Amino acid sequence: GQNIDQPTEMTATEGAIVQINCTYQTSGFNGLFWYQQHAGEAPTFLSYNVLDGLEEKGRFSSFLSRSKGYSYLLLKELQMKDSASYLCAVRALNTGFQKLVFGTGTRLLVSP
Amino acid sequence: SQTIHQWPATLVQPVGSPLSLECTVEGTSNPNLYWYRQAAGRGLQLLFYSVGIGQISSEVPQNLSASRPQDRQFILSSKKLLLSDSGFYLCAWSSLRTPRAYEQYFGPGTRLTVT
Repeated sequence: GQNIDQPTEMTATEGAIVQINCTYQTSGFNGLFWYQQHAGEAPTFLSYNVLDGLEEKGRFSSFLSRSKGYSYLLLKELQMKDSASYLCAVRALNTGFQKLVFGTGTRLLVSP
Repeated sequence: SQTIHQWPATLVQPVGSPLSLECTVEGTSNPNLYWYRQAAGRGLQLLFYSVGIGQISSEVPQNLSASRPQDRQFILSSKKLLLSDSGFYLCAWSSLRTPRAYEQYFGPGTRLTVT
């Protein structure tokens, strides 16, 4: 089966840097997504990693290590609007190319 | 550009009543379509997905059903709602033709409260 683990909740202060970790155990791997979800809203795409390494996109970066089954999302220069849940999702080969398996999400609280 | 619509936005229904949630996608053809449920404080649970008209795969046995009567229309139904059906229902679409093949794009969601 598939197993994706993320911390339930994290707190940080405005202007700081925070790293949200995600570990996964899947039968085969074909890409990892990070989504942001504000309370009561739909998830929106943040990043996609399919090869090892760091993908940088403005204040957000995502890292992947396939051999370790590990990814992290790095948020720099935190702003109050970054308070949201961050969902890690994996495309696993055995579940079909079209499907994503989501973790339970990490709720990030940014304080002034 | 592609857009995805869901309605209603919010719904309050008594236990035992029927349910029909609708999702439509514009601006793409032959998308994969998905229904997710997100219970309070929990992650996204995939309920159904569809790769074409009339083709439905069920992920979790329950009192819900899904149908895809048209290429870009996906309907979630129940004959008798349970209290445990309360949650945030999200429809999503994906396509091999998008930049990150099969990235999923989510609709605005329906907040269902069963009383």
